[in-house]
Amino acid sequence: GQNIDQPTEMTATEGAIVQINCTYQTSGFNGLFWYQQHAGEAPTFLSYNVLDGLEEKGRFSSFLSRSKGYSYLLLKELQMKDSASYLCARRGGGNKLTFGTGTQLKVEL
Amino acid sequence: DTGVSQDPRHKITKRGQNVTFRCDPISEHNRLYWYRQTLGQGPEFLTYFQNEAQLEKSRLLSDRFSAERPKGSFSTLEIQRTEQGDSAMYLCASSLHRTGNAVANTEAFFGQGTRLTVV
Repeated sequence: GQNIDQPTEMTATEGAIVQINCTYQTSGFNGLFWYQQHAGEAPTFLSYNVLDGLEEKGRFSSFLSRSKGYSYLLLKELQMKDSASYLCARRGGGNKLTFGTGTQLKVEL
Repeated sequence: DTGVSQDPRHKITKRGQNVTFRCDPISEHNRLYWYRQTLGQGPEFLTYFQNEAQLEKSRLLSDRFSAERPKGSFSTLEIQRTEQGDSAMYLCASSLHRTGNAVANTEAFFGQGTRLTVV
């Protein structure tokens, strides 16, 4: 994705914690989204940050630093069903989302 | 089901044929977006509407692609003279946009997509 960088793949163990990082272009920034996408399915919304700091939502948390153009998604107590692609998306003009290529997370026993 | 719906879910077509996809957004959402996604990539923006007005088209969108949202509700995406490179998942999303209040704007909700295969 244009100006959105995130790791291509990550592997973690069931029950563990994993952090997926994302860096983005700061100009015209209007919010940072994380989506989850299982193979062959539509992306589903996980979290949204527009102000600096941590947003917690159950097992998932997302952090934003606007000055650094940096976000991360934190997944706790990993479950096998969390194996999916995690898409970082930056909202710019027109509410348009620009997506990264996604981080393919594999959760192993 | 009050989510975003797309039709058809799958389409196989021969090269050179025209295809049309439909998207029905969440009813109160004024913004509608079309994205294209290929394997191993994130969704790429194609175009978006606010109500019936098409406000932006990606430079990726060739002249063979056209989208409409005639009454500000459902939208259609047509691809003329399809090419094998058009094979992809075509995703539609909708959101509610409130002018001047970025925090109140909703996230984009995606439909299940239309998977196009050009043979």
